[in-house]
Amino acid sequence: GESVGLHLPTLSVQEGDNSIINCAYSNSASDYFIWYKQESGKGPQFIIDIRSNMDKRQGQRVTVLLNKTVKHLSLQIAATQPGDSAVYFCAETEGGSYIPTFGRGTSLIVHP
Amino acid sequence: GAVVSQHPSRVICKSGTSVKIECRSLDFQATTMFWYRQFPKKSLMLMATSNEGSKATYEQGVEKDKFLINHASLTLSTLTVTSAHPEDSSFYICSARGDRSYGYTFGSGTRLTVV
Repeated sequence: GESVGLHLPTLSVQEGDNSIINCAYSNSASDYFIWYKQESGKGPQFIIDIRSNMDKRQGQRVTVLLNKTVKHLSLQIAATQPGDSAVYFCAETEGGSYIPTFGRGTSLIVHP
Repeated sequence: GAVVSQHPSRVICKSGTSVKIECRSLDFQATTMFWYRQFPKKSLMLMATSNEGSKATYEQGVEKDKFLINHASLTLSTLTVTSAHPEDSSFYICSARGDRSYGYTFGSGTRLTVV
């Protein structure tokens, strides 16, 4: 079946740098996308979401970009901090199903 | 914001016993709850979807008699791992969705260790 996948399983950055985590999706019918942060031993925590009628959405230090043409989603974290170290998952849903499909996950490691 | 409480956070049980995990939505009515299983350094694997008052819908390959799900109220769903075996050891996570948004809120997860 169709799935959401991630390009980089591990991303290492220096504190203060900007981080970009990428996600490719294959279901062109997906219309809602979510980024989650999961710290070790904890459940996923909502970061930011975006609907398919938008191509960019900004939050506090985070920005999600959606490129429907190439079915690509990215999460940008500005001024990355050690507390941002976690696994980040993208998830997609198709209108009406309400069941998110999770990507593989990217481990972000922030070096002080 | 929406809060989902999952309990217990950690449990160790003997092989052959059953373990119940609770998932509660604290400040909203969860029309749908989801149960996931997560292996180390892996993504979340959906086990089942439950709607209040009806039988859960299990994903392919998940044994419904092994993983009993009850969603008796709009704020509580339980997952019971019956006759647990060491291979059932894993991190189990619930999530809940209200009827007014697309958003999903996750519980903090339960680390099950079967010895």
